[in-house]
This record gives sequence, structure tokens and C-alpha cells, in this order.
Amino acid sequence: NAGVTQTPKFQVLKTGQSMTLQCAQDMNHEYMSWYRQDPGMGLRLIHYSVGAGITDQGEVPNGYNVSRSTTEDFPLRLLSAAPSQTSVYFCASSPPTGTYEQYFGPGTRLTVT
Amino acid sequence: ILNVEQSPQSLHVQEGDSTNFTCSFPSSNFYALHWYRWETAKSPEALFVMTLNGDEKKKGRISATLNTKEGYSYLYIKGSQPEDSATYLCASMGYQGNLIFGKGTKLSVKP
Repeated sequence: NAGVTQTPKFQVLKTGQSMTLQCAQDMNHEYMSWYRQDPGMGLRLIHYSVGAGITDQGEVPNGYNVSRSTTEDFPLRLLSAAPSQTSVYFCASSPPTGTYEQYFGPGTRLTVT
Repeated sequence: ILNVEQSPQSLHVQEGDSTNFTCSFPSSNFYALHWYRWETAKSPEALFVMTLNGDEKKKGRISATLNTKEGYSYLYIKGSQPEDSATYLCASMGYQGNLIFGKGTKLSVKP
């Protein structure tokens, strides 16, 4: 198993540009989520999904869209990038065991200038 | 308590010392409490997930306890080693499936 994969590893955007951060898992996990990590702020939940076709907002959803058309993929879309979205983004998934232990991807470092 | 709070923010100990950290979380809408270990330049890795009041979990020299009535969890490390140096995160999960993380406790263990 490749586990949770994220692409790209690094990205630089200009203000106003749009892009999609990719996240995929091959462990047949129902639960997937996106976090951002900022200095002094810890990990903050952006959006999460408990299964294909179902998504919900976390703590900091503004400026981000998600969709979950398959169990494997959970892309995060930035519609119009802002400097405040400069961060490290982590995708995570968890098995349907009821405890929701998170398996994290390697992260994407995004800079918006 | 509305947020998940961890203390201390950072901790410096000598090799061989035992140490513990605290995680405080809202006791309402509580489903599970997670602990993660996060080494620099890596991704967080799960240590424990606990759901029941009074739960105790152990993995080698690391153990954790949970008190859901008063909303706190302790993580203990016995005989700290330099390889235990990392940031330890706790997170509270509600019934909707949303995880709220604390800011972490950064542990440095000196040889």
C-alpha cells in the first residue's frame, strides 16, 4: 500500500490564482480530511468527509472547496488564492474501525505571493 | 473549555527522566480523544485513541489516561530517550467526526 499520498509537495501561487491539492489513499478508508498547519496554531481542520458523496466543514473552511466522488480521492480546491492561505496542508484518512485514528499524508507546502 | 488545550507548550528533559503532558478538552459532544507524535519534517503518527472514561493505553514506555467527565487526558513517557524528542498532539473528536487539535507539547530530550 502507498498509504496516503499528496501532490504536489511544494507549490507557489500568485494571489488570485486557483489550484487543486490532490490527496489519494489506497487503504479503502471511508473517512478523509484536510488540515492546515500554521506556526503557533497547530493543525486546524478545513473540511472532512465520512464517505463518498458526503463532505462537511471543519474549523477553517472559507476559501476552500472539496468533493468526494470516490472513496480513494479527496481533492482540496483553492478558488482564488490569498496570502493568508500560505501554509502546510495535510491530508489524512482513517479506517472504518470506529476510532478514526488518522493516517497522515506527507504534506503540501503552499506559498501564496 | 471551548478549545483543546495542551500544557506545557514545551519541555526540556534529560535522558532517563520521566515526564507527562496534559490535554484538556470540552467534555460535551465528546466521542474520542487522540494522541499523535509528530517528528520534525515528518507527518503526525497516531499513538493512542481512547473513547471511554477511565481508559488507559500503553505502548512501550508511553502510556495515556482519559477522564471524559472532567475533560482531560495525560500522556506519560517513562525513562525519556533522545528519540522521544517530538511534538505530541492531542485532538478531541466529536460525534460528527470533526477533530479539534491542541497546539501540541514540544519535547526535547537531552542525551
